[in-house]
Amino acid sequence: EVQLLESGGGLVQPGGSLRLSCAASGFTFSSYAMSWVRQAPGKGLEWVSVISSSGGRKAYYADSVKGRFTVSRDDSKKTHYLQLNSLSVEDTALYYCAKLVTGGFETDFWGQGTLVTVSS
Amino acid sequence: QPVLTQSSSASASLGSSVKLTCTLSSGHSTYIIAWHQQQPGKAPRYLMKLEGSGAYNKGSGVPDRFSGSSSGADRYLTISNLQSEDEADYYCETWNSNTRVFGGGTTLSV
Repeated sequence: EVQLLESGGGLVQPGGSLRLSCAASGFTFSSYAMSWVRQAPGKGLEWVSVISSSGGRKAYYADSVKGRFTVSRDDSKKTHYLQLNSLSVEDTALYYCAKLVTGGFETDFWGQGTLVTVSS
Repeated sequence: QPVLTQSSSASASLGSSVKLTCTLSSGHSTYIIAWHQQQPGKAPRYLMKLEGSGAYNKGSGVPDRFSGSSSGADRYLTISNLQSEDEADYYCETWNSNTRVFGGGTTLSV
């Protein structure tokens, strides 16, 4: 059974940093691209980042987070990370980890999310 | 990059059918999309991949009541025999080589 378990969310002041983790199980983690998607309170889904499979040599970001967020993965630990720096109140959201299908096309599985609140 | 447009809301009665629409922006009418369901207070759930030809592949456990179709730049999600648990937000998703996009979502009231 595929499982994605996010952690690392919390309350942080504007300008602060957090690192989110996504622990994967139930599938061959290294073979799949992974994504982060966020959802601000009462709003829709917003894509944040994607990282390629097998070591993650390629990573792409939404313009809204480019230069501030960094995605990475450790295939030996079956874990996907998102480093969030220079946070602003607009980054307050539930952050979902998501698995993409083979080839990096559609999202076919979602985690339960971890909440990031940016507030002074 | 592609843009996906969805109506903000829809409503239908128990036991009836509803057809939700996701429209691809100009120049992107051949793109494949995916449909996702988000029930209140829950994480999204993958429903299906839908091609421009109208061919679709559903995720594991998705009821037969859910189907997809396409016409030009429009991608449709049809839910038949509506149940109370179908009351949810529905999002379409597409992608290219270096970006991914979600539609604004449609809130379905049953």
